[in-house]
Amino acid sequence: EAGVTQFPSHSVIEKGQTVTLRCDPISGHDNLYWYRRVMGKEIKFLLHFVKESKQDESGMPNNRFLAERTGGTYSTLKVQPAELEDSGVYFCASSQGALKYTEAFFGQGTRLTVV
Amino acid sequence: TQLLEQSPQFLSIQEGENLTVYCNSSSVFSSLQWYRQEPGEGPVLLVTVVTGGEVKKLKRLTFQFGDARKDSSLHITAAQPGDTGLYLCAGANRRSNFGNEKLTFGTGTRLTIIP
Repeated sequence: EAGVTQFPSHSVIEKGQTVTLRCDPISGHDNLYWYRRVMGKEIKFLLHFVKESKQDESGMPNNRFLAERTGGTYSTLKVQPAELEDSGVYFCASSQGALKYTEAFFGQGTRLTVV
Repeated sequence: TQLLEQSPQFLSIQEGENLTVYCNSSSVFSSLQWYRQEPGEGPVLLVTVVTGGEVKKLKRLTFQFGDARKDSSLHITAAQPGDTGLYLCAGANRRSNFGNEKLTFGTGTRLTIIP
């Protein structure tokens, strides 16, 4: 069974450009999460989808970030326009149910570098 | 804002020694998870503890959740070079009665076992 896959694995863009990250969760997982780690900091929550609905987007840093999950399958996270402080590793995770009782599976991450 | 402080941040010990990693917070969590992360990969779940005072064992690894569900520890017995990696604790808390839990990650402990 395929795990959580993220694309691209690396992206280097200039400040002001747009980047779109993609996450394919494990098939059948209704819950999809985006997290990121900026250099030297801990991994932080961005948002949580249940199917196609945004359940919690309290961690989104600002309105330059837009996440979508049309059809409740894969998700995209767009950064427009990118700023230097957006550099970091963006992780996607998926789970079947509540984290108390089920495992969240993480993708390998997308390393974003804004120059 | 919930914070999880891990200590030590870095630990380098000889093969065969025992070690303990601590994860502390002033906040109460509904459950706490321990992950291990390898370079270039996402975090992989080791264990979830749910009940205050709970102890779980995974071969040479022993995990404990504090009675008040604010802290946790990971103890490794007879460490081996294969235990080398980044260990992360993460607390889960429900944002609302209708939402799934999101994870608050700790600052991480980078463990090196010297053969």
